Amino acid sequence: EAEVAQSPRYKITEKSQAVAFWCDPISGHATLYWYRQILGQGPELLVQFQDESVVDDSQLPKDRFSAERLKGVDSTLKIQPAELGDSAMYLCASRFRDSPLHFGNGTRLTVT
Amino acid sequence: GQNIDQPTEMTATEGAIVQINCTYQTSGFNGLFWYQQHAGEAPTFLSYNVLDGLEEKGRFSSFLSRSKGYSYLLLKELQMKDSASYLCAPRGDSNYQLIWGAGTKLIIKP
Repeated sequence: EAEVAQSPRYKITEKSQAVAFWCDPISGHATLYWYRQILGQGPELLVQFQDESVVDDSQLPKDRFSAERLKGVDSTLKIQPAELGDSAMYLCASRFRDSPLHFGNGTRLTVT
Repeated sequence: GQNIDQPTEMTATEGAIVQINCTYQTSGFNGLFWYQQHAGEAPTFLSYNVLDGLEEKGRFSSFLSRSKGYSYLLLKELQMKDSASYLCAPRGDSNYQLIWGAGTKLIIKP
């Protein structure tokens, strides 16, 4: 079964450093999401793409976070500079039309 | 506003049946999803309800009452591997935005 690929699986960085996460959705899935999940909480939407266009980034802290999906396929989420409060699991998900969301395995970020 | 309410934690015995309830308030409604999430892993899709009633899929069933803003997930013949968090996520508008609850942590005991 096709999967959403994410890398790296784990990332440890010092505060004030830059960090980037990559996601490759299931082939043919036009819609891509980045979520942040803090332990014990549900996923929080950061940004939604439809092909290469941003559909919703209302919850993205734009002073330090950026996301792109230049060719409408894979996507990168960047944090610069990282803060201690950014420690969380970053999940990428994709979907095809009205199908359920398929999640990648996530990137566990620890900021020290 | 939009709100999801699920119990924080539940405990059940292997082989038994457990029902996880979810009540929700959303701006508009276009279906409700249940996802399973094992510790440290990504959520995986379990079920989707858009009309009132019960949807059965093997050991798992999900029920929806739109008028009451209520859903439940029923797990039968519990196995140790069912220990996980279960997330209720209604879709609130036509932009396919899911509203995520904090989930219910289910602990299965032998």
